[in-house]
Amino acid sequence: DAMVIQNPRYQVTQFGKPVTLSCSQTLNHNVMYWYQQKSSQAPKLLFHYYDKDFNNEADTPDNFQSRRPNTSFCFLDIRSPGLGDAAMYLCATSPGGGGETQYFGPGTRLLVL
Amino acid sequence: GQNIDQPTEMTATEGAIVQINCTYQTSGFNGLFWYQQHAGEAPTFLSYNVLDGLEEKGRFSSFLSRSKGYSYLLLKELQMKDSASYLCAVTLSGGYNKLIFGAGTRLAVHP
Repeated sequence: DAMVIQNPRYQVTQFGKPVTLSCSQTLNHNVMYWYQQKSSQAPKLLFHYYDKDFNNEADTPDNFQSRRPNTSFCFLDIRSPGLGDAAMYLCATSPGGGGETQYFGPGTRLLVL
Repeated sequence: GQNIDQPTEMTATEGAIVQINCTYQTSGFNGLFWYQQHAGEAPTFLSYNVLDGLEEKGRFSSFLSRSKGYSYLLLKELQMKDSASYLCAVTLSGGYNKLIFGAGTRLAVHP
């Protein structure tokens, strides 16, 4: 089945130690998104790629970076995680156009010690 | 700024009907999504409204009034598995389908 895959499902890192979360998709969608969702809060868009075109949200901290080496994969790099970065990180995709459904992966829950 | 409001929590009885409201004030509007999210899992798509009116899909229906900035999700014949958070999300005109989510409504269905 075509899907959005995120690995790992749970990630533990230490304060200040760089961490990378990965997302892959078999839907061949042009657009990939990264959201941060803290407990009982709305998912918050961090950035998205339309193909190779990177779009950063204005309020996304510089601590967060992203890479998309090809259509299928997208990575979220947190350069120096702080305690406030503990959250669920959701990857989503959409075909590429207006008013489309976004398809979410299962998420990676990040714990910062 | 963008503002999307939904009730924080609701409870309902198995077999009953529940309506979850969502109001929005956004700069630009393209359409409105409803997603279901079980605890610790990813959101899953339920419905998408662009035009005013009611869209029915099985036990779930969604309504939109663009002039009032208002939507609701109607769940009929509630089942225990419907216990989840329901997220209202607005997609803005222009740009690449950016979604602005509400904080979600946590629905508890009890026997």
